[in-house]
Amino acid sequence: AQTVTQSQPEMSVQEAETVTLSCTYDTSESNYYLFWYKQPPSRQMILVIRQEAYKQQNATENRFSVNFQKAAKSFSLKISDSQLGDTAMYFCAFIYYSGNTPLVFGKGTRLSVIA
Amino acid sequence: NAGVMQNPRHLVRRRGQEARLRCSPMKGHSHVYWYRQLPEEGLKFMVYLQKENIIDESGMPKERFSAEFPKEGPSILRIQQVVRGDSAAYFCASSGTSGVVKNIQYFGAGTRLSVL
Repeated sequence: AQTVTQSQPEMSVQEAETVTLSCTYDTSESNYYLFWYKQPPSRQMILVIRQEAYKQQNATENRFSVNFQKAAKSFSLKISDSQLGDTAMYFCAFIYYSGNTPLVFGKGTRLSVIA
Repeated sequence: NAGVMQNPRHLVRRRGQEARLRCSPMKGHSHVYWYRQLPEEGLKFMVYLQKENIIDESGMPKERFSAEFPKEGPSILRIQQVVRGDSAAYFCASSGTSGVVKNIQYFGAGTRLSVL
C-alpha cells in the first residue's frame, strides 16, 4: 500500500520569505502523480500543483514549485514570496497513474505566514 | 461553471439519528469519491462511485455507512444511527473520465458533521 509522510506538523515563515514543505512517499509503482493541496481556514481543498512521475522537470505554478526526487521518493513544495493568504494546511497526496483511484494523503503541515 | 457542490455545510445530529450528505460533481465528471477528515488529520478515503455503481468501498465502515450515486441527482453518503465518533468533516471529490483529468480530483467545501 502507498503511504505519504509529512514530517513537519507545523511551520512558520515571514511574509515575502521562502519556505519549503517536505513530503516523502512509499510506492512500488513507477508511474504515478503527486499533488499538493492547500486547505485554508475555510476548509476548502484547493489543488496547488501536480507532478507526473514520468516527467523529470519539476512543476511550477507561479510562486509555487516542487523539488521532485523520484529515486529518493521525495516531493517537497517551495513557496516563494510568501503571502498572508498562504496561511493554511498543506497536504501532499499520491495517486496511481491509471487514475480514477483514491488519493492517498499525508497528515498535513500547518503553515503560518507572519506579517 | 460550478465546482463540486456539497450540502449541507454543517450538519448537527443527535446520537442514533441518520445523517445524509449530498454531493454534486463538477459538470462532465462521472467519478465521485468520498473522504473523511478527523481533526488534525489528513483526508482518508471512504468510497469511490461512478454513476449507479460502487467501484471501491474499501475505506468505508461495513456497518451504518452507505453511499450511492444514482443515474439522476447527487451522490449521497448516508450514516445511520450516528455516534460521537462519526463527528468529522466529510469531503466529496470528482474527476473526469479520460486523459489527465482522470487523475485530478476537485473537491467540494465539505460537510462538517457534529454528533451531540
